[in-house]
Amino acid sequence: DSGVTQTPKHLITATGQRVTLRCSPRSGDLSVYWYQQSLDQGLQFLIQYYNGEERAKGNILERFSAQQFPDLHSELNLSSLELGDSALYFCASSLGLAGGPSYNEQFFGPGTRLTVL
Amino acid sequence: AQSVTQLDSQVPVFEEAPVELRCNYSSSVSVYLFWYVQYPNQGLQLLLKYLSGSTLVKGINGFEAEFNKSQTSFHLRKPSVHISDTAEYFCAVSEYTGNQFYFGTGTSLTVIP
Repeated sequence: DSGVTQTPKHLITATGQRVTLRCSPRSGDLSVYWYQQSLDQGLQFLIQYYNGEERAKGNILERFSAQQFPDLHSELNLSSLELGDSALYFCASSLGLAGGPSYNEQFFGPGTRLTVL
Repeated sequence: AQSVTQLDSQVPVFEEAPVELRCNYSSSVSVYLFWYVQYPNQGLQLLLKYLSGSTLVKGINGFEAEFNKSQTSFHLRKPSVHISDTAEYFCAVSEYTGNQFYFGTGTSLTVIP
């Protein structure tokens, strides 16, 4: 158990809908990262938050957005869903910023499996 | 941006045989290097990491990796694999000054009894 929790575990929805995925980082971790894992694209970095602020953006679509709240939990919002958005979505957390003096490894949650029908 | 290449998408190997999973990255700047393992229906778990110091890094479950700066490689090795090592393995790179992890496409290791 990494200490990172994600809810829900599974999500089935229809095209055009909007969903919210939730992540609680490990106690004490300030950074949260979101990843998308699909069969054809592999593991893709979406976005990172550090202590409530956006720090890095990867291959995140404009239909997707995220935020990190004062209690450090994070939500990933996916809207106007398409079939191709079906994937595993992982959240990871780390103590600080990569490359900084408090750098630590990323701890991954178990993921949310999103199926868009 | 970084790119991470895992040359072998699938590696079958017999139980108790040695294995090497290859990873090359593109950066010419200083980097941190990682190997993660993903067991079926689970999240990623850190196997080992290279931050600085000795280029030979030992991790969990008997795995080790060697950082080769001149060849920009970080290959993962295990001298004798077990059935339980069957999983997906991901190499990842992070630059000293960056906030982003760059993952390879993964190598599926299948250990054959």
